[in-house]
Amino acid sequence: GQSLEQPSEVTAVEGAIVQINCTYQTSGFYGLSWYQQHDGGAPTFLSYNGLDGLEETGRFSSFLSRSDSYGYLLLQELQMKDSASYFCAAANPTGANNLFFGTGTRLTVIP
Amino acid sequence: SQTIHQWPATLVQPVGSPLSLECTVEGTSNPNLYWYRQAAGRGLQLLFYSVGIGQISSEVPQNLSASRPQDRQFILSSKKLLLSDSGFYLCAWSGGRVGTGELFFGEGSRLTVL
Repeated sequence: GQSLEQPSEVTAVEGAIVQINCTYQTSGFYGLSWYQQHDGGAPTFLSYNGLDGLEETGRFSSFLSRSDSYGYLLLQELQMKDSASYFCAAANPTGANNLFFGTGTRLTVIP
Repeated sequence: SQTIHQWPATLVQPVGSPLSLECTVEGTSNPNLYWYRQAAGRGLQLLFYSVGIGQISSEVPQNLSASRPQDRQFILSSKKLLLSDSGFYLCAWSGGRVGTGELFFGEGSRLTVL
């Protein structure tokens, strides 16, 4: 089966740095993706780690450790607009690029 | 550029009524297509995926079905809705390249079953 666990809620101050963790147990694993979803909207892709290590995209970075079945999303210089839900998702090597999503972390940025 | 559309955006249906949600993709050919469902405050659950016309794989047994009558069209259906079918339904596509981890989602269809 597939299981991806994340903290349910995180609160951080504007301008600060926040890390959202994801631990996974999957029957097959290809890589870890991160998505952002604002209330009422559709998820949008943020980053993908196919290999161990850190991937940086502007203010957002994502890390993967396959040996620990663990990854995280790092958001720097937080802005109010970063308040949203964040989901990790495991890519399944079925050839169809299927993604299985985590439980989601609700990030609230406060002034 | 590629775009994905799904409709209707919102609908309220009585228990036992049929359902049809439609999704179309433009600007790409032979995409992998997906239907996800999201219950309120929860994660996304993969319902169906399709790698080509007429090819449907189901991830979760339920009273829903999917069809892909054309390359860029994906339809989610039910003959008789249950209360538990309420949720936010999202269609998505990918270019089929394994290992990219990137899906492009439509705007979503919010279904309330009463």
